[in-house]
Amino acid sequence: AQSVAQPEDQVNVAEGNPLTVKCTYSVSGNPYLFWYVQYPNRGLQFLLKYITGDNLVKGSYGFEAEFNKSQTSFHLKKPSALVSDSALYFCAVREDNYGQNFVFGPGTRLSVLP
Amino acid sequence: DAGITQSPRHKVTETGTPVTLRCHQTENHRYMYWYRQDPGHGLRLIHYSYGVKDTDKGEVSDGYSVSRSKTEDFLLTLESATSSQTSVYFCAISEPVGNTIYFGEGSWLTVV
Repeated sequence: AQSVAQPEDQVNVAEGNPLTVKCTYSVSGNPYLFWYVQYPNRGLQFLLKYITGDNLVKGSYGFEAEFNKSQTSFHLKKPSALVSDSALYFCAVREDNYGQNFVFGPGTRLSVLP
Repeated sequence: DAGITQSPRHKVTETGTPVTLRCHQTENHRYMYWYRQDPGHGLRLIHYSYGVKDTDKGEVSDGYSVSRSKTEDFLLTLESATSSQTSVYFCAISEPVGNTIYFGEGSWLTVV
């Protein structure tokens, strides 16, 4: 069975500093990995995904994520955090390239302090 | 933004009453989903559909039913609402091969 862990409930970072939101996963096949962001009272918005290819994936709003197969991780990063990045972030995994089974992590709340 | 419309966006209902939430998509995506989001539980799949009249249960399907009579519409019904079904409900869509899941803006349901 697939699973996703986001080991930190909350991440605090100062504006202008780099940020990392951690995600680890478990699948039996090939992983397809996703990051989403949720602002208050809104739906989840897609940020980026890893399907295959380059381990460093670039996405929206200056975010990027690094796929590490040996560590089964897919950490979300941004070189310089903005206050407007404060939100809830979800990692998700889908096994192989077919089917409906997206599994979401519990979410990490990011607070960027001015 | 993905063409997903949820209605109603906010609803307060009484325990024991039936409630139907509607999801409408304009993307012609094959898969449609209903999730609920609760503090401490993240997103949990209620039901999903892989085509017209083709549906299956998710992780937390008890007390919910769904119907999909057209590609664009996916209905979630609470036959007899309970306070434990107070939640935020999200509809989502995707294509089966390699693609992303996109979410609607959510429906806030309060059962009193």
